[in-house]
Amino acid sequence: GESVGLHLPTLSVQEGDNSIINCAYSNSASDYFIWYKQESGKGPQFIIDIRSNMDKRQGQRVTVLLNKTVKHLSLQIAATQPGDSAVYFCAENYNAGNMLTFGGGTRLMVKP
Amino acid sequence: GAGVSQTPSNKVTEKGKYVELRCDPISGHTALYWYRQSLGQGPEFLIYFQGTGAADDSGLPNDRFFAVRPEGSVSTLKIQRTERGDSAVYLCASSFGQFPDTQYFGPGTRLTVL
Repeated sequence: GESVGLHLPTLSVQEGDNSIINCAYSNSASDYFIWYKQESGKGPQFIIDIRSNMDKRQGQRVTVLLNKTVKHLSLQIAATQPGDSAVYFCAENYNAGNMLTFGGGTRLMVKP
Repeated sequence: GAGVSQTPSNKVTEKGKYVELRCDPISGHTALYWYRQSLGQGPEFLIYFQGTGAADDSGLPNDRFFAVRPEGSVSTLKIQRTERGDSAVYLCASSFGQFPDTQYFGPGTRLTVL
């Protein structure tokens, strides 16, 4: 399949460690944010979302943190597994419409 | 249930030709989106349908690009007089169309213009 992240920043972690992927968003009016995981040759897969009236949201092994003051999102993955290896994108949505604006993405590589 | 499906998975065409890309959304989803993804970049918005009508087509790069959704379900993205710069992965997503809502993506169609 096609590689989706040839020139993306890369985070390399050891299996079992925690991962933190960061994202800066652009629009202070954005009020909904999503993290997607994209494996090579596949479409983006929903991981977790958060609304702007929240600072933190937890899912299974994943946590998203939102800092509206500095327009920053982070995705924390606990006990990272080889299956977590992929490109991760944050996306923002603002009330002007329902389109998503994606960040540049980060490639996560998990070493066994 | 079934996710978003897109056909074909790969399309190779020659410069100047016409292509059609198809998207079949998740059943019950009223909103449908087309995005384009170039290598090493995030998806970029092209057009959004709510039901049969295009609610926002501000992302279409020029008038060679057109999309339809005649019955409010399946959508077709049409590209006329293709150019090499049109080569990319074309992604379709669908949702319930109520803000804020989660967009679920299909596997994409990889378009290569020779």
